[in-house]
Amino acid sequence: NAGVTQTPKFQVLKTGQSMTLQCAQDMNHEYMSWYRQDPGMGLRLIHYSVGAGITDQGEVPNGYNVSRSTTEDFPLRLLSAAPSQTSVYFCASSYPGQATEAFFGQGTRLTVV
Amino acid sequence: ILNVEQSPQSLHVQEGDSTNFTCSFPSSNFYALHWYRWETAKSPEALFVMTLNGDEKKKGRISATLNTKEGYSYLYIKGSQPEDSATYLCALEGVGGFKTIFGAGTRLFVKA
Repeated sequence: NAGVTQTPKFQVLKTGQSMTLQCAQDMNHEYMSWYRQDPGMGLRLIHYSVGAGITDQGEVPNGYNVSRSTTEDFPLRLLSAAPSQTSVYFCASSYPGQATEAFFGQGTRLTVV
Repeated sequence: ILNVEQSPQSLHVQEGDSTNFTCSFPSSNFYALHWYRWETAKSPEALFVMTLNGDEKKKGRISATLNTKEGYSYLYIKGSQPEDSATYLCALEGVGGFKTIFGAGTRLFVKA
């Protein structure tokens, strides 16, 4: 099993550009989520999904879109990148409501200039 | 959104010292409390999950307790080693339904 795979690992964008961060898992987890990690702030929830076709907003959803067309994939879209979106992004997956651990991808370091 | 507070923000100890950190939360309206260990340049890895008031978990030199009535969880490390240096994250699963909310973490530095 590959677990949770995130691509790319590093990305530099210019302000106003758009891009998609990819996340895929092969553990048949229903719950997937995106977090951003900023210094001194831990992991903040951007968006999450409890299954294919179902998404919802987390703590800091503005500027980001998500979709969940399959159980395996949960891409995060930045429609018009801003310097405030410079961060490290983590995707995670788990079984919801079963007190089981979340598995994380390796992270994407995004810089918006 | 339920606020998860972790203290201290960072901690410097000597090899062999025992230490503990706190995760506090204002409400017991969640399904489970998780502790994760996060090394620099890696992804968070699960340590413990607890669901019931009074739960205690142990793995080697590391243990954790949960008190949902008073709103806190403790993580203890006995005889710290340099390889314990990492950020320790507390997370509440099932906030407002299905959200998992993390605290800001406690950064532990263990000096040999």
